[in-house]
Amino acid sequence: SYELTQPPSVSVSPGQTASITCSGDKLGDKFACWYQQKPGQSPVLVIYQDDKRPSGIPERFSGSNSGNTATLTISGTQILDEADYYCQAWDSSIVLFGGGTKVTVL
Amino acid sequence: QVQLVQSGAEVKKPGASVTVSCKASGYTFTGYYMHWVRQAPGQGLEWLGWISPNNGGTKYAQKFQGRVTLTRDTSISTAYMEVSRLRSDDTAVYYCARGTGFSQLDFWGQGTLVTVSS
Repeated sequence: SYELTQPPSVSVSPGQTASITCSGDKLGDKFACWYQQKPGQSPVLVIYQDDKRPSGIPERFSGSNSGNTATLTISGTQILDEADYYCQAWDSSIVLFGGGTKVTVL
Repeated sequence: QVQLVQSGAEVKKPGASVTVSCKASGYTFTGYYMHWVRQAPGQGLEWLGWISPNNGGTKYAQKFQGRVTLTRDTSISTAYMEVSRLRSDDTAVYYCARGTGFSQLDFWGQGTLVTVSS
């Protein structure tokens, strides 16, 4: 079965760039999207169709997807970006989530 | 504005069933899939399935096939998820989320905590 793999954690200093990867077989042939989830809250879509930002999402969030890896990049990371991030893709009409990456800003 | 409002928390005994509702507003209910996703305490997101409110078509994750049933009532723009034969490891927050084509889940409900305990 198809799987999406994310690193469990990423640490970044305020103002620096955080990169979160999501790996899957030929993931670049599919659309990838990313969700941010803060404790006690519902997930929020931050990137869809590989590199598009929904209305209201800051420009510091960007995405790319090629080969076997999709990447979410947070430029100029802020304290409020500390959260769990999940990648998501479709395979054969099934929705798949990565295991999630905890981003710590310190 | 798009809103998905879910029913309240539930406490159930093992072996029982639970139904969670998700009332949609602010958009054409039949124009978008509705997905159900759950999150066990301290764990990641797990997809259960989707329903097409337009025709009632469904697709389930293999793990939940036969134990999860998705339905909808278009007259009141509400989707339902029933989980039967509950086990303790079904304890989780269950979310409904609007799906846009075969792409993103762009709006999420507030979540419903289902606790399974004897």
